[in-house]
Amino acid sequence: GAGVSQTPSNKVTEKGKYVELRCDPISGHTALYWYRQSLGQGPEFLIYFQGTGAADDSGLPNDRFFAVRPEGSVSTLKIQRTERGDSAVYLCASSPDFTLAEYNEQFFGPGTRLTVL
Amino acid sequence: SQKIEQNSEALNIQEGKTATLTCNYTNYSPAYLQWYRQDPGRGPVFLLLIRENEKEKRKERLKVTFDTTLKQSLFHITASQPADSATYLCALGGKLQFGAGTQVVVTP
Repeated sequence: GAGVSQTPSNKVTEKGKYVELRCDPISGHTALYWYRQSLGQGPEFLIYFQGTGAADDSGLPNDRFFAVRPEGSVSTLKIQRTERGDSAVYLCASSPDFTLAEYNEQFFGPGTRLTVL
Repeated sequence: SQKIEQNSEALNIQEGKTATLTCNYTNYSPAYLQWYRQDPGRGPVFLLLIRENEKEKRKERLKVTFDTTLKQSLFHITASQPADSATYLCALGGKLQFGAGTQVVVTP
């Protein structure tokens, strides 16, 4: 069965540009998460979706970051006016149902490595 | 603020020995704690989840303990193998707050 997929695997952009990162979760998983991981650090929570709605976006660093999940499946993380400090690996994860602890195992994609020059 | 600490130094261990990793947390009362494995260039992979009312949990050669009084979890890899070499992350909460991870290197 297919796991979580993310595209592109690598993205190089210039400071000030706009980027979109895509996540395809495991089919049927209602919960979807975005994390950001810098070198030598653990993943840092950005935003969580339950279905189509953003249930918790408290981890988004500022208003340049935005994420959508219009049909409750694929999600796109959008970053406007990119800055060099945005360079990191962006990870997406999905799980069957956030509300049930035993199902809170999260399945991660391989990540998108974003480099802002 | 909530804080999760894992040993930042890599753990070098000989094949066949037991690796023990520590995860300490502060300002947090988690209902459960998770451990993940991460290989270079890949996303984390779930290993074990332990609830606050469970003292110990095992899965094959892995064992996790959870002491809510000490605010600490220990992660053990018994009979370690070179294939166990990776970074191991502990995580708390539903939306997962991760520690920085501890790299384990198992040498033949």
